[in-house]
Amino acid sequence: EAQVTQNPRYLITVTGKKLTVTCSQNMNHEYMSWYRQDPGLGLRQIYYSMNVEVTDKGDVPEGYKVSRKEKRNFPLILESPSPNQTSLYFCASSWALGANVLTFGAGSRLTVL
Amino acid sequence: KQEVTQIPAALSVPEGENLVLNCSFTDSAIYNLQWFRQDPGKGLTSLLLIQSSQREQTSGRLNASLDKSSGRSTLYIAASQPGDSATYLCAVRALQGGSEKLVFGKGTKLTVNP
Repeated sequence: EAQVTQNPRYLITVTGKKLTVTCSQNMNHEYMSWYRQDPGLGLRQIYYSMNVEVTDKGDVPEGYKVSRKEKRNFPLILESPSPNQTSLYFCASSWALGANVLTFGAGSRLTVL
Repeated sequence: KQEVTQIPAALSVPEGENLVLNCSFTDSAIYNLQWFRQDPGKGLTSLLLIQSSQREQTSGRLNASLDKSSGRSTLYIAASQPGDSATYLCAVRALQGGSEKLVFGKGTKLTVNP
């Protein structure tokens, strides 16, 4: 089944403890991206990647890192999480920029205490 | 800066009614506009994608239109059912200043009452 898989789905952690949220797609998509969803603010783009080894900042990249060493994986790294990063995170992928449907993962709910 | 607005924020209708959800955007230089459905606690499911050169797309009881010049899109749902209850999001995708941007509206929460 074609899908975007995120792990973990739920995580509670403490301030400053590094964590990684993994994202993997099995559709050979070139484009991948990360979003966070917060009440009253909607979905905002954190980082995106046009292809392997090509990443760029979205609207809210502060406090996050990403890497794209292989086409199928696009992990989101929080080096030193803070409570304001408590949010629902989504990974998404598509064939390329522009004309293609974006497929979303099921989401990862992160709580930073 | 591209901004996307969805009105109304919430809508409650009786089963069987036809309804229209609205989406407006401030910059008409877009690649496409996509409508999504989000169920509580779940991810986003793509419903319809309209390219910038298209005027409308249809899928089953759903019809989405796009008027780029006025910066508007509508999602028409025919013969609504309780299973249509969800939050509906629109998003515009555009290349701005060499960076890809996907900008979402805040959504319309739809409740269809049996």
